[in-house]
Amino acid sequence: DTAVSQTPKYLVTQMGNDKSIKCEQNLGHDTMYWYKQDSKKFLKIMFSYNNKELIINETVPNRFSPKSPDKAHLNLHINSLELGDSAVYFCASSRRMDYEQYFGPGTRLTVT
Amino acid sequence: SQQGEEDPQALSIQEGENATMNCSYKTSINNLQWYRQNSGRGLVHLILIRSNEREKHSGRLRVTLDTSKKSSSLLITASRAADTASYFCGSMEYGNKLVFGAGTILRVKS
Repeated sequence: DTAVSQTPKYLVTQMGNDKSIKCEQNLGHDTMYWYKQDSKKFLKIMFSYNNKELIINETVPNRFSPKSPDKAHLNLHINSLELGDSAVYFCASSRRMDYEQYFGPGTRLTVT
Repeated sequence: SQQGEEDPQALSIQEGENATMNCSYKTSINNLQWYRQNSGRGLVHLILIRSNEREKHSGRLRVTLDTSKKSSSLLITASRAADTASYFCGSMEYGNKLVFGAGTILRVKS
């Protein structure tokens, strides 16, 4: 059983398109996150939700909008995709915000 | 802004040798966490050390934390080929934001 799952695993799209990435965790955790890992492997937090409430919102363009329909799901919608959005996006979850995090397998987004 | 820095950027050792990776951070932390990332996969949590702890062990892993120097080290003893991966430290700020360094690429040659 996959603890944190993401779909799709790969996403290739053209500039200007809108796309979504879905994340689900079956660990019963209260907190979920989105991270972006760039081509140099630098990993940076984008958003975190605790009990469906937005807690951390880093300086991310407004084109990125997270949505948490329930505690087990955190989706990421990206509008008007740009070349610079190409990266690997990771979803993660944790029991509490200061606990260890469990990461999904990542979604490799390529914008052409 | 990037919080942590890791050193070295890359490390290549023979199987059976020990590997030491260092991490530095900039602000006060609640805890520090080490993760492993195999190529093309997500991060896997290895060990968490709290700010009031100085050393922690888990199997072949030993982590130290020096809050006065704002640094941590990860020691992997008796390395195996399967330890080949990137290793990241994440410093948990008091705002509950986990900030990662750039990682150390470890290659263990068999």
